[in-house]
Amino acid sequence: GENVEQHPSTLSVQEGDSAVIKCTYSDSASNYFPWYKQELGKRPQLIIDIRSNVGEKKDQRIAVTLNKTAKHFSLHITETQPEDSAVYFCAAMGWGKLQFGAGTQVVVTP
Amino acid sequence: NAGVTQTPKFRVLKTGQSMTLLCAQDMNHEYMYWYRQDPGMGLRLIHYSVGEGTTAKGEVPDGYNVSRLKKQNFLLGLESAAPSQTSVYFCASSYRGLAGGTDTQYFGPGTRLTVL
Repeated sequence: GENVEQHPSTLSVQEGDSAVIKCTYSDSASNYFPWYKQELGKRPQLIIDIRSNVGEKKDQRIAVTLNKTAKHFSLHITETQPEDSAVYFCAAMGWGKLQFGAGTQVVVTP
Repeated sequence: NAGVTQTPKFRVLKTGQSMTLLCAQDMNHEYMYWYRQDPGMGLRLIHYSVGEGTTAKGEVPDGYNVSRLKKQNFLLGLESAAPSQTSVYFCASSYRGLAGGTDTQYFGPGTRLTVL
């Protein structure tokens, strides 16, 4: 089955700096890669996703890149703000099921 | 349009007790999923359903059963709860989930279960 590894497990950044989270996956059949943000005590919420036929996608301060050959994808957050503090999960979907990474705790300090 | 709802929000059980968690969605989604979330382990798939009357095992199905008698509802049962089942349980639904036809999964608010 699919295996997703996510790094780093914690990330502390100063407000205004950029944050990058990286994930690798094992199943070359995976074709959909969403990123979820989860605030403390809340449900995971989709912030951006990318499909296997696209190399990069951007939505305001958030961007995701995908390298299918290397089987890795990354989340980039620019101009970080305190409200970006949360746990971020990457996931890979193959055969109808999502496999999640272990999560990255992002802390943005003013 | 409530999206995905879960009941109850919190529950405390004693070892050996049983309970059922209910997930409901009003988005006419075909696919529904049950996950558990434990610290440092992300979300792990317990069972899922690709349509009314169908269920399938996920990554961690042992100790759980599910039923999908109606399209909008997906029930997760614990027949004999164990402390290892202490977790936060999330339900999710999506319009479709077939390989090659992927779609966003929408999550419910979660159920925090403690087994003593």
